[in-house]
Amino acid sequence: GESVGLHLPTLSVQEGDNSIINCAYSNSASDYFIWYKQESGKGPQFIIDIRSNMDKRQGQRVTVLLNKTVKHLSLQIAATQPGDSAVYFCAEEGTSGTYKYIFGTGTRLKVLA
Amino acid sequence: EADIYQTPRYLVIGTGKKITLECSQTMGHDKMYWYQQDPGMELHLIHYSYGVNSTEKGDLSSESTVSRIRTEHFPLTLESARPSHTSQYLCASGTVETQYFGPGTRLLVL
Repeated sequence: GESVGLHLPTLSVQEGDNSIINCAYSNSASDYFIWYKQESGKGPQFIIDIRSNMDKRQGQRVTVLLNKTVKHLSLQIAATQPGDSAVYFCAEEGTSGTYKYIFGTGTRLKVLA
Repeated sequence: EADIYQTPRYLVIGTGKKITLECSQTMGHDKMYWYQQDPGMELHLIHYSYGVNSTEKGDLSSESTVSRIRTEHFPLTLESARPSHTSQYLCASGTVETQYFGPGTRLLVL
């Protein structure tokens, strides 16, 4: 069978707890960042984005934090639900205005009942 | 749910065959992208387009070509498939910032 997931870091979280998924990016000049969720057998789905002139942005049950000093991005999911189980990717726009995105290595989130 | 479609969803083909992966979107987006993704791995950009008659190569060296004759259509062609092309191919289209992905085509080259 497929070796899906063997290369991915995995985060296991109890249902109802908060999840924090981390991402390090490489280009200090990157201006725009996106978090995607990818469920098995599907394409990535946009969750939330943030520009470099912000350090925090909130959506519905999700918050993205940006620390430009250490080139670190995190996605916080409040009250994690079974439907949140998926692989999460961060992406940065490599060069501003090119609309070309560099994807990081994903993190598999497993929600435990 | 974004209106972006990919066909076929699954394809098994022999070495040396020519194949075309189809991608269509009904949102009128100018920007379209092709990514390659191995199971459990990150996405790698192989081609992108800013609009009709615009095509650019991405960061991953690829023996594929694309065309953009119509806004809604962005097909990817492999002239001669090889086992190393076995992967998942994801098409996306986008506005100024947000990208919407299709469901992907899983390709197996024997």
